[in-house]
Amino acid sequence: GAGVSQSPSNKVTEKGKDVELRCDPISGHTALYWYRQSLGQGLEFLIYFQGNSAPDKSGLPSDRFSAERTGGSVSTLTIQRTQQEDSAVYLCASSLFSPLTGNSGNTIYFGEGSWLTVV
Amino acid sequence: QKEVEQDPGPLSVPEGAIVSLNCTYSNSAFQYFMWYRQYSRKGPELLMYTYSSGNKEDGRFTAQVDKSSKYISLFIRDSQPSDSATYLCAMSAITTSYGKLTFGQGTILTVHP
Repeated sequence: GAGVSQSPSNKVTEKGKDVELRCDPISGHTALYWYRQSLGQGLEFLIYFQGNSAPDKSGLPSDRFSAERTGGSVSTLTIQRTQQEDSAVYLCASSLFSPLTGNSGNTIYFGEGSWLTVV
Repeated sequence: QKEVEQDPGPLSVPEGAIVSLNCTYSNSAFQYFMWYRQYSRKGPELLMYTYSSGNKEDGRFTAQVDKSSKYISLFIRDSQPSDSATYLCAMSAITTSYGKLTFGQGTILTVHP
């Protein structure tokens, strides 16, 4: 597709259930990012994948959160035993390569997000 | 204290006004500075990108970075109703993972006709 594709776009789940959120990055992009955006808050970094390197998981808030990226393309963010505080928009993004370059050629493109509500 | 502080607004201006959006930060390692625009229920899109200090202009938009004051600004000239959105500043340090952008809270801007 032309942009970063995320599914589901909306998800309502019961507290304690597991959820999986999917991200399909722009074709050819080697870097993939997950961010979380809570109501009225800025974006919070979760995890970053770059090619075959070990991912930067430093932003994952607890061990209930995990993510994988298969074949260097599609990524899945899994939240186990969901809590109400997990309710947020989960945004995936991708870029052609990393690191950021001085010519601003490495734009990060965001998807429209998966809106998660835990009830 | 958050690493990046941004006044959430909301900010309401008449069409044609000059808009000033600002962020302050505490991490002196930040070298890359960005402004994103986010429309309702959409993902953020990159507006401006600046490396280190200085000014950068693109059409009606001007980004300024003052590293000595740890202060960045985005100016919008001749604002239009289509500029109504949430504006997020973001920063990254050269010494950390380049995927790890640190965002401000976002400022909600409404430009009314």
